[in-house]
Amino acid sequence: DAGVTQSPTHLIKTRGQHVTLRCSPISGHKSVSWYQQVLGQGPQFIFQYYEKEERGRGNFPDRFSARQFPNYSSELNVNALLLGDSALYLCASSLAGTGVAYEQYFGPGTRLTVT
Amino acid sequence: AQSVTQLGSHVSVSEGALVLLRCNYSSSVPPYLFWYVQYPNQGLQLLLKYTSAATLVKGINGFEAEFKKSETSFHLTKPSAHMSDAAEYFCAVSDGRNNNDMRFGAGTRLTVKP
Repeated sequence: DAGVTQSPTHLIKTRGQHVTLRCSPISGHKSVSWYQQVLGQGPQFIFQYYEKEERGRGNFPDRFSARQFPNYSSELNVNALLLGDSALYLCASSLAGTGVAYEQYFGPGTRLTVT
Repeated sequence: AQSVTQLGSHVSVSEGALVLLRCNYSSSVPPYLFWYVQYPNQGLQLLLKYTSAATLVKGINGFEAEFKKSETSFHLTKPSAHMSDAAEYFCAVSDGRNNNDMRFGAGTRLTVKP
């Protein structure tokens, strides 16, 4: 079975631009979460979507938004990019719900560089 | 608020030696604790988790961790390091209700020398 897939793998953008990152969860998984991992730090929670509804939001500005599609894939959008948005963006899927009983499976991430 | 502190950003051991990666947590409620491993250019993989059952938790690849409430610690150990264990390791804490509140440490890079 395919794991969590993310596209693109690498991306270079200029300050002020917009970016869209994509995630396909494991087949059958209905929950998708997004994390930002800045170099040298652990992942930080950005969003969780379950059954196409936002179920959680981390401490990130409104420039960050996301959505989940009927096939449970997800997009993360970031507007007005800043240098500090440079990071590895991880997507994780889980079978259902939001509780820790549901193990999260992480994708390989998208490396975003903002110049 | 919950948080974890991983002591040592880099740990180097010889192949066959004991691996000890340290994690201390802070939580106002009984915590759920996790160890994840991240290999280069890959996502995080769950090694093991503590969810208030047995204090000694066994995970994949021969790793285990012991929850010590008195020391607020959840250190990761492996009796004998293998070259394939070289990776970044993350400790994380949650209040158990919601994956959204999982807080990760800064990570420890493990190097295994031949």
